[in-house]
Amino acid sequence: DAGVTQSPTHLIKTRGQQVTLRCSPKSGHDTVSWYQQALGQGPQFIFQYYEEEERQRGNFPDRFSGHQFPNYSSELNVNALLLGDSALYLCASSWGDRGQPQHFGDGTRLSIL
Amino acid sequence: AQSVTQPDIHITVSEGASLELRCNYSYGATPYLFWYVQSPGQGLQLLLKYFSGDTLVQGIKGFEAEFKRSQSSFNLRKPSVHWSDAAEYFCAVLHGSSNTGKLIFGQGTTLQVKP
Repeated sequence: DAGVTQSPTHLIKTRGQQVTLRCSPKSGHDTVSWYQQALGQGPQFIFQYYEEEERQRGNFPDRFSGHQFPNYSSELNVNALLLGDSALYLCASSWGDRGQPQHFGDGTRLSIL
Repeated sequence: AQSVTQPDIHITVSEGASLELRCNYSYGATPYLFWYVQSPGQGLQLLLKYFSGDTLVQGIKGFEAEFKRSQSSFNLRKPSVHWSDAAEYFCAVLHGSSNTGKLIFGQGTTLQVKP
């Protein structure tokens, strides 16, 4: 049973570019959340998708957008990249009632030059 | 505002010694609390969770945590640390009233294990 998978593993971009990160949730999970983890920090919530709609959003600008597909997989898009967007981007999936633990992928390391 | 504080940024213990990592939370309702571990270059692995009931919860890899409402704490413990426990540890509280509330994380504690 595959866990949460993310691609790519690493990515290098330059300022002003756009990037798309992908996530496949754990089998049976229907909800995907995205987190940004800057170096030396705890993860920060970006947004969450359920039934192909954004259900919650953290304190991130509109440059960060996402999508969820009918098969529950998800994409995170970031436009007009800034140096400060360099981070580990984590995808987490979950299902069911409140409190079901979120399972995390290994993340995508995004470096902005 | 809901928050999680991990007072110790870095802890070093000798292999075989006991371990306690501190976590304090600020949350208005009954909290759902978690401890995750992150090895270098990896994602987060769930160690244990507290939802309700017994305030002492057991997790994987020999870890346990105790929920103390009066102290707003959820400290992680292990009686005997192994070298492979060296990693970053995050405490988190679930914020939200429906499934898929967002997790609010502490800043993390880096555990170093001396041989």
